[in-house]
Amino acid sequence: DIQMTQSPSSLSASVGDRVTITCRAGRSISSYLSWYLQTPGRAPKLLIYFASNLQNGVPSRFSGSGSGTDFTLTISDLQPEDFGTYYCQQTDITPYNFGQGTKLYI
Amino acid sequence: EVQLLESGGGLVQPGGSLRLSCVASGFTFRTYTMSWVRQPPGKGLEWVSAISGSGATTYYRDSVKGRFTISRDNSKNTLHMQLNSLRLEDTATYYCAKWIPNYFGLDVWGHGTTVTVSS
Repeated sequence: DIQMTQSPSSLSASVGDRVTITCRAGRSISSYLSWYLQTPGRAPKLLIYFASNLQNGVPSRFSGSGSGTDFTLTISDLQPEDFGTYYCQQTDITPYNFGQGTKLYI
Repeated sequence: EVQLLESGGGLVQPGGSLRLSCVASGFTFRTYTMSWVRQPPGKGLEWVSAISGSGATTYYRDSVKGRFTISRDNSKNTLHMQLNSLRLEDTATYYCAKWIPNYFGLDVWGHGTTVTVSS
């Protein structure tokens, strides 16, 4: 199985800040990496797919980069609706494991 | 509107069974690979299973192999998962989700259905 490790596990930020979350895969996954945001009581929402592609309807303040084993999600100009838990997921090979999550809070 | 609606969760004793269902609408269901993803209370997301659009190919994580069975009825736009020999650690909210083609990501999610395994 490919283990996915996110850092940090939690992060405090303010509206207007720029934040970066990293995700490391246990072995190379090319660009098969997705990012999701889950807010309390809601289902996850896809933000970025194939490492750097912005999902339809997702604001351009979200961006993704990386390939191989190291990936980053950057959020510029944080908005109140951006607070929640972020997950990465490798979609290269089953089981399509998620990272443990990064909780972004005020 | 693209939508997924799960049902079938509930309280079950260890060793028991449940059948989860997920009704899809707003897209051509038969052309998309689908998955189940679960989330234990207060914990992170865990991919459980996937099934190809035709239903011919299925995948499972090791911890559910031989106990869970994913299936689909394309004539009814419905995804199922049969959960047998349930364990305490299967307690979770179960989400069904739709894949972007080529496993690029899960772009549509249901609201989830809760399975509680307890004696």
